[in-house]
Formats: sequence, structure tokens, C-alpha cells
Amino acid sequence: SYEVTQPPSVSVSPGQTARITCSGDALPKQYAHWYQQKPGQAPVLVIYKDSERPSGIPERFSGSGSGTTVTLTISGVQAEDEADYYCQSADSSGTYHVFGGGTKLTVL
Amino acid sequence: EVQLVESGGGLVQPGGSLRLSCAASGFTFSSYWMSWVRQAPGKGLEWVANIKQDGSEKYYVDSVKGRFTISRDNAKNSVYLQMNSLRAEDTAMYYCARDQSSLLYRYFDNWGQGTLVTVSS
Repeated sequence: SYEVTQPPSVSVSPGQTARITCSGDALPKQYAHWYQQKPGQAPVLVIYKDSERPSGIPERFSGSGSGTTVTLTISGVQAEDEADYYCQSADSSGTYHVFGGGTKLTVL
Repeated sequence: EVQLVESGGGLVQPGGSLRLSCAASGFTFSSYWMSWVRQAPGKGLEWVANIKQDGSEKYYVDSVKGRFTISRDNAKNSVYLQMNSLRAEDTAMYYCARDQSSLLYRYFDNWGQGTLVTVSS
């Protein structure tokens, strides 16, 4: 089955830039999307179609992609950004949703 | 405002059945694919199943094929997940999500708060 891969954890100091990567063979053909999940809460979409930001999501969240890797960038990280972040895409047929294993962002 | 409210979770014995419901409001329900996504305790997200606007297409993750059935009632703005032959590994929070699906992309733009399913004797 198709998989997308994320690092388990990323740490950054407040005000710095956090970058979380996601890799998958189908990513050149399928868009990637990113979700933020805080403890005890439902996930929230923060980036869709590689780089689009939903209304209400701060501008410090951005996304980009190159080949088989996509990246979620959080500029000027704030303490409230500490959360789990999940990459999501579809398999090469475009039929099935696939999530990465999640990345725990720690704000030092 | 989009709202998705799940219900029907609870404690069930292995081999048992449960039916989850998700009531939608704040948008034209019949215009959207809908999905169920689950999260085992302390684990990551796993897409479970989705259903097309008119119910004509349904897809499932391999681990639930033949045991789970997704359905919808557009007149009631609701989507359901019938879960049979439940196993301990099905224990999870189950989220209902609005599914933005096309030929080029699939993502979830709104989520419910979830309903907890525990499979244990």
C-alpha cells in the first residue's frame, strides 16, 4: 500500500522557522495537504493543494513542493503552534486518502 | 457555519457491531463527498472510508473491507458507518469529515469532534 513519510519530531525555538517534510512517490502527481492537531482536539486543515491556506489560518503557515517531497513551513513559530502535524495525500490512482505518521512540533 | 456531529460510539465486545452517525449542517450536504477518519489512542490519523455525493461510489481502507459499510441519507444530512466483526485494533476516535475530492486532489476541510469506539471484553 502507498505511504507518505514524515519525521517523527521537529523542535524549534520561538520566533524561528520550522520546516516539516513529507515524502511520497505519488506526490509529483497528487496534491499534498497539512493538518494541525492539538491534544484532545480534532484536526484542523492548515494547508491544502500543496500551498493554499484556508481562511483563518495565519500567514506564517505556508506550503511548498518539489518532486517527491513537500514541506510545511511555519515562520516565526509561536508557542501556540506546538502540535502534531499530519501530511495527507492520495495514492497514485487518486482513489484512496493516505496520511503520514505525523510530526510532533515542539516549541522550545 | 459548517458543523459535523458524530454519535454512536461506545464500548463493544470483540466480534460485535456498532453504527456511527454523523449529522451535518451549515452546507449543502448532498454536494460533497464525506469520509470517516479514525485515530487509535496515542497514534496517528487513518482514513477509513468515503462516499460520493449520491452514494454511488464508496471506498475503504484495506483493514476494514468486508466489515465496515459507509452509507448516507441526503434527506437527513447524515452519513453513517456500520461496523461489524469489530476487533481490538478498531479501538479509536472516529471522526466524520467533509471530503473535498476531485480527480487531482482529496482532502478534508471540516471535521467533527469525534466519537470514541472501544472494543474490549
